[in-house]
Amino acid sequence: QVHLQESGPGLVRPSETLSLTCTVSGGSLSSYYWSWIRQPAGKGLEWIGRIYSSGSTNYKSSLKSRVTMSVDTSKRQFSLRLTSVTAADTAVYYCSRELGFGSGSYRFDPWGQGILVTVSS
Amino acid sequence: SYVLTQPPSVSVAPGQTARISCGGTNIGSKSVHWYQQKPGQAPVLVVYDDSDRPSGIPERFSGSNSGNTATLTISRVEAGDEADYYCQVWDTRPDHYFVFGTGTKVTVL
Repeated sequence: QVHLQESGPGLVRPSETLSLTCTVSGGSLSSYYWSWIRQPAGKGLEWIGRIYSSGSTNYKSSLKSRVTMSVDTSKRQFSLRLTSVTAADTAVYYCSRELGFGSGSYRFDPWGQGILVTVSS
Repeated sequence: SYVLTQPPSVSVAPGQTARISCGGTNIGSKSVHWYQQKPGQAPVLVVYDDSDRPSGIPERFSGSNSGNTATLTISRVEAGDEADYYCQVWDTRPDHYFVFGTGTKVTVL
């Protein structure tokens, strides 16, 4: 059974770069898309972007200028970098596997437990 | 951008049926997926492709989708079903990708 675990700093200074890593266990990264999704406290879910095991990426248009994702299949990890952060980027960040690629049924399962990242000086 | 609208809250007595709507323009032409999120936990997929259930999800969870509204139905509601529920679709327009609904808090009375 695939398990995902986010890791990284819980506190980031304004204007600096948020960096998170998701480690996948119980399965391979190959032939899947992997996504980052965030959720501000008390609010809804926001998809940030995704990366394929080959390294191909897609980002939410409003975040594209600040987001970079990468993948290391040998380590079973994929990563998120978000530059020039502000308080509005404070949220719980989740990583997840995308299912249904090629079928039109794009959904997320499973999800990591999430990591709270606070942007504050 | 494509918008999915859900009622902020739904209240239901134990043993009764909860219905959560997800409204979107011509959503009936899309595959709709539903997630359950309990406090302090990550979302869990409970229904996909409008009405299919992942392994391990009780049959009490079902879904439908037609026209401009998709619906998640929880039959014989239990206290453990109290959670936030989100619908989600894939937006086929370029650079849009994934869209989540606004979320519905289900309260078991």
